[in-house]
Amino acid sequence: DSGVTQTPKHLITATGQRVTLRCSPRSGDLSVYWYQQSLDQGLQFLIQYYNGEERAKGNILERFSAQQFPDLHSELNLSSLELGDSALYFCASSGGDREGYGYTFGSGTRLTVV
Amino acid sequence: EDQVTQSPEALRLQEGESSSLNCSYTVSGLRGLFWYRQDPGKGPEFLFTLYSAGEEKEKERLKATLTKKESFLHITAPKPEDSATYLCAVQAHFGNEKLTFGTGTRLTIIP
Repeated sequence: DSGVTQTPKHLITATGQRVTLRCSPRSGDLSVYWYQQSLDQGLQFLIQYYNGEERAKGNILERFSAQQFPDLHSELNLSSLELGDSALYFCASSGGDREGYGYTFGSGTRLTVV
Repeated sequence: EDQVTQSPEALRLQEGESSSLNCSYTVSGLRGLFWYRQDPGKGPEFLFTLYSAGEEKEKERLKATLTKKESFLHITAPKPEDSATYLCAVQAHFGNEKLTFGTGTRLTIIP
């Protein structure tokens, strides 16, 4: 157990629907990152939150949004889903100096859009 | 834009057959280079961070090295349980703290 908790582990939904993925970071970590991993691509950075504020945006579609709550858990909202959104979505957290600025990843949410 | 290229894409080795994985990178001021291991359907697991050229780190059968343009992950006398995808990522000094990942090397160790 990495200490980063993601729910649900699996999600199957239809095109056009909206889903919410949830992430609880490691205790004490203020930063949360969301990544998307599809079969033909590596890990693609979506967005970072730090202590409740958006800090950086990557290749995140306008149909996707995220937020980080006062208790530091984060949610990634995916709407108007398309078949191409099927992927593994990972959350990671970091605590600055710990582990040399690297991240700790959760076990991911596998999203299947049918 | 930061870029990471890993080679080979896939590597099959006999148990005990040592080899190296390559990670070439371009980044605007390297803050750190990271190696992760990922098993199918699971999240990446942190292995090493390297900060400056010439640095080396070891963990069991794995050793990571760093130059100004690339990093190598050396695997000595691998076992079947070392089979996984190995990911390399870089973090730049300037801007946000995101990691830019390569697409990984899928390593298979045959008993």
